[in-house]
Amino acid sequence: GQSLEQPSEVTAVEGAIVQINCTYQTSGFYGLSWYQQHDGGAPTFLSYNALDGLEETGRFSSFLSRSDSYGYLLLQELQMKDSASYFCAVQTGANNLFFGTGTRLTVIP
Amino acid sequence: EAGVTQSPTHLIKTRGQQATLRCSPISGHTSVYWYQQALGLGLQFLLWYDEGEERNRGNFPPRFSGRQFPNYSSELNVNALELEDSALYLCASSLPTAEGYEQYFGPGTRLTVT
Repeated sequence: GQSLEQPSEVTAVEGAIVQINCTYQTSGFYGLSWYQQHDGGAPTFLSYNALDGLEETGRFSSFLSRSDSYGYLLLQELQMKDSASYFCAVQTGANNLFFGTGTRLTVIP
Repeated sequence: EAGVTQSPTHLIKTRGQQATLRCSPISGHTSVYWYQQALGLGLQFLLWYDEGEERNRGNFPPRFSGRQFPNYSSELNVNALELEDSALYLCASSLPTAEGYEQYFGPGTRLTVT
C-alpha cells in the first residue's frame, strides 16, 4: 500500500524557524510536492523536489532524500500569515499526486 | 488571469440523490483533477481528465464519475449519495506540458448529504 506520514499539528513562535517532516512509502516515486492551504481556502503549490537536496524559495525551503524516503518543508522567519495546513504530496506517476493528511501549523506571537 | 473556478460553492442533497459539481480550469490548462477532502483527512484523488479523456481514477466506487468538455471544463457527478460523501470537493488544473506536480486548485464545492 501507499502511505505518507506527517505530524498532524505544529506550533511555533513568530519569527522562528519550523520544519515539517514527511516520510513516504509509495509504489512509484517521481518527486515530492508541498502545498499550503489556509482555512477555507484552496491549496496552493509551494515547491517540488525531484532530486536529493535542498530547494530554496524565499523564506521557504524544501528538502528531499530519496534513499531515506523522507522530505521536509522549512519555514523561516515565521509570520502570522503562515498559519495554515501544509500537505506533502508524492508524485507517484505522471499527473498523479498522492497527498498526506496535512500538518496544521499555528504561529503564535 | 482568472484562476480555477468551481460551482456551486455549497450544495445540500439528500441521501440517494445525485449531485453535479462543475469546474472551469485556468485558460490554457488541459488537465483537470478532482479531489475529495473530508474533514480531518488529506486530499483523496478522484479523477484526472486530459483532452476530454479520463486518464486515471482513484479508489472510489463507480457512482463517482465525470467528464471533460471540449473547452476543458469538467463536471463531477456523484450518484446515489451517501452520508459519507459529505466533503469538500476540489478541482485542480495543470498545464499540458507539466507532469502534474504543480496543480492549481479552485475554492471547492462543499457538499453536504443529509
